[in-house]
Amino acid sequence: EPEVTQTPSHQVTQMGQEVILRCVPISNHLYFYWYRQILGQKVEFLVSFYNNEISEKSEIFDDQFSVERPDGSNFTLKIRSTKLEDSAMYFCASSEAFRDMQETQYFGPGTRLLVL
Amino acid sequence: EDQVTQSPEALRLQEGESSSLNCSYTVSGLRGLFWYRQDPGKGPEFLFTLYSAGEEKEKERLKATLTKKESFLHITAPKPEDSATYLCAVQGMDSNYQLIWGAGTKLIIKP
Repeated sequence: EPEVTQTPSHQVTQMGQEVILRCVPISNHLYFYWYRQILGQKVEFLVSFYNNEISEKSEIFDDQFSVERPDGSNFTLKIRSTKLEDSAMYFCASSEAFRDMQETQYFGPGTRLLVL
Repeated sequence: EDQVTQSPEALRLQEGESSSLNCSYTVSGLRGLFWYRQDPGKGPEFLFTLYSAGEEKEKERLKATLTKKESFLHITAPKPEDSATYLCAVQGMDSNYQLIWGAGTKLIIKP
């Protein structure tokens, strides 16, 4: 069964350092998302991406964040200068298409980011 | 503002003891309501999508229902392997397909 994969599973970094989180969405999916979940809190939307551009972003997704689809399979989230409060589990998701009825978003296993 | 509230926060049941989890939502116009299961340290695993009031979906011991204000996840004769956090999320017409999440219900099934 096709699944979303994410690497690395864990990432420890120093405050102020740049990190890149990687995702391989399901192969025939066209819409990609990043969410985060701070320990013990709700899942929060960061950004959605379609046709090589951002479709929607939340207030969390400020200038320190960027997304990219560098090739036909990978989808990345970059945090330019990490802060302590960026420590969280980051989930990538993908969906097949937007139609009148919403397509289900399928999630990867997550990358646990710890900023020291 | 779109909002999702889940109750209870935690639920402990004996194996075989059926119960229901609640997801109340306020949204400008509902595009879809989603149920996911999340195991500790893992990503949300898709269970159901509901689109309109009156709709029901079933999968093994789980059944999801939807009204105009809330959704229920009914668990019939649960087993210990059903222990997980169950998350509800909605998608509103005003959003560009982002999911708005509830805090989840942590379900523990004791053998």
